[in-house]
Parts: sequence; structure tokens; C-alpha cells
Amino acid sequence: AQSVSQHNHHVILSEAASLELGCNYSYGGTVNLFWYVQYPGQHLQLLLKYFSGDPLVKGIKGFEAEFIKSKFSFNLRKPSVQWSDTAEYFCAVRTGTASKLTFGTGTRLQVTL
Amino acid sequence: EAQVTQNPRYLITVTGKKLTVTCSQNMNHEYMSWYRQDPGLGLRQIYYSMNVEVTDKGDVPEGYKVSRKEKRNFPLILESPSPNQTSLYFCASSLSGIYDSPLHFGNGTRLTVT
Repeated sequence: AQSVSQHNHHVILSEAASLELGCNYSYGGTVNLFWYVQYPGQHLQLLLKYFSGDPLVKGIKGFEAEFIKSKFSFNLRKPSVQWSDTAEYFCAVRTGTASKLTFGTGTRLQVTL
Repeated sequence: EAQVTQNPRYLITVTGKKLTVTCSQNMNHEYMSWYRQDPGLGLRQIYYSMNVEVTDKGDVPEGYKVSRKEKRNFPLILESPSPNQTSLYFCASSLSGIYDSPLHFGNGTRLTVT
């Protein structure tokens, strides 16, 4: 069965710092990759997704992610975080023809002023 | 407004007392799914449905039931709740599976079983 690893459980950054959150998956075939964000007290929202084509995908609010097939990774990046980016971030993977998403355990990002 | 609506938002119950959490979407989505969110475990899928009368188990289906009699509704049923089902539950839907359309999530139901 596929698995998704997010090694950073809790990240604390100052405003304007750069962000990179790691996401690795274990599956050798075709994958669709997603990042979701959950702001405090809210439901999950899609940040960005990768299905095919350019491995560098851009999402909302200045976020981007790069799919590196050889490393089984889909890391999330943002050049300069804002206090409003404080949230929990989930990486998710769909593998092959599966009809479900497998989520990582999430990374809690805290941005300080 | 396009949305996924779950009810109730908060629920406290006792062990063994049957309960139902409702989920309804107004986007004519074919795919619906239930997840539970627990600290340190992320989101785990309980059940999903590809369309009316088509349901299948996710990763943690034990102790839960679902039904999909209508396209818009996908209730989650706990026949005999136990304390280990205390969790935050999310319903989600997408247009046609998750092949090319993202999941839309409800606002969550926080369930406490004593």
C-alpha cells in the first residue's frame, strides 16, 4: 500500500522567511499529488495539484511545489511566508487507478511576527 | 453557493448509542468520501462512494457504515460508538472520482464518545 511521509511535524518561521515542507511517497507508478491547507478551525482547502506536465506547479497564495520523480518527492515552497500562512499543511497522493487519496500526517506551520 | 454541509458540527454521545452524521453536497458530485482526522495520524479515509449505490471501504472502515441512496447525501453511521471513535470527521466530494478534480471538504464534525 502506498504511504505518504511528511517529516516536518511542526515548523516555526518568522514572517518573510522562506518555506519548504517535505513530502515523500512510496509508489513506483503513476501518481497524482496534492497539497491541502487547513487554517485554524476550518476545513481543508486545495493549495495546488500535480497531474502531469511541468513538474513545477504553482498554486494559490504564492505557493509552489516541485515533483521530483527520482526522489519520490513533492515538496511545498513559498519564498516569503506571511503570518496568515499559519495553518496545517497536508500532502496527499493518489496512485495508479486508485479511487482514494492517501494523506500525510500533516505539518503545522506557525509564522511569527 | 457550492458547498459540502455536515451536521452536526459538534456531538457528544455515550458508548453504544447509535448516531448518524449527515453530509450533503449541492454540486452534483459523483464522488463522496468520509475521513477522520486524529493528531499525529493526519486524515484517514473511512469509506468512499463513486456514485449512487456504490460504496467501498477506505483504510479504517471498522465500526462505521455508510449509504448512498441519493447523489447528494452520504451519511456516516456509527451503530455502536466507542471511545476510540472520538475524532474530527470530514466529509468530502469531488466531481468524478479524484482523477482530475480536487476534493471539496465540509466544515467537520467533532465527535466525542464517553
